[in-house]
Amino acid sequence: GQNIDQPTEMTATEGAIVQINCTYQTSGFNGLFWYQQHAGEAPTFLSYNVLDGLEEKGRFSSFLSRSKGYTDHLLKELQMKDSASYLCAVMESNYQLIWGAGTKLIIKP
Amino acid sequence: SQTIHQWPATLVQPVGSPLSLECTVEGTSNPNLYWYRQAAGRGLQLLFYSVGIGQISSEVPQNLSASRPQDRQFILSSKKLLLSDSGFYLCAWTQQRESGELFFGEGSRLTVL
Repeated sequence: GQNIDQPTEMTATEGAIVQINCTYQTSGFNGLFWYQQHAGEAPTFLSYNVLDGLEEKGRFSSFLSRSKGYTDHLLKELQMKDSASYLCAVMESNYQLIWGAGTKLIIKP
Repeated sequence: SQTIHQWPATLVQPVGSPLSLECTVEGTSNPNLYWYRQAAGRGLQLLFYSVGIGQISSEVPQNLSASRPQDRQFILSSKKLLLSDSGFYLCAWTQQRESGELFFGEGSRLTVL
């Protein structure tokens, strides 16, 4: 079956580093995606991994291990504006995205 | 540049009433269009997607329907709303299905009472 698990909520301090993990079990794999969603708003695309390893984009990076069905989204030098939900999504063989419920990240000063 | 708009932003409807949510994309042609629903504590649920005018694929059997009367217009409808239809509805587009990078509209929050 299809299953994507990520923590419901995490708390971190401004200026620190936080790592949000996500595990998945899906039918086929065509890529792993992270999206950011601020409260009451639509999700926006952050990153894409299709091969094992690290993809970096500024303060954000994402790591993928396909053999373990595992991904991490790392946020460095946290800013208050990074307070949002972070959604993990896997693209299956039919190009449909299966979404996790999201991790709400709370950043404290 | 491409933009996507959906409306209305918020809607409060009684059980049994009809529904119509509209979504339009500008600045591109032949987009792939999607309707998602987001319920609290759950992942985005794909309701419908369309690869072209008049071509609609339904992912979840329910009392909702979708139509694509024009290339860049996608409409979500219901003849009779249920309480369980409450949620945050999101329209999205992408140029290529394989890309996975979806561009979402602002969202429509529906409350059925």
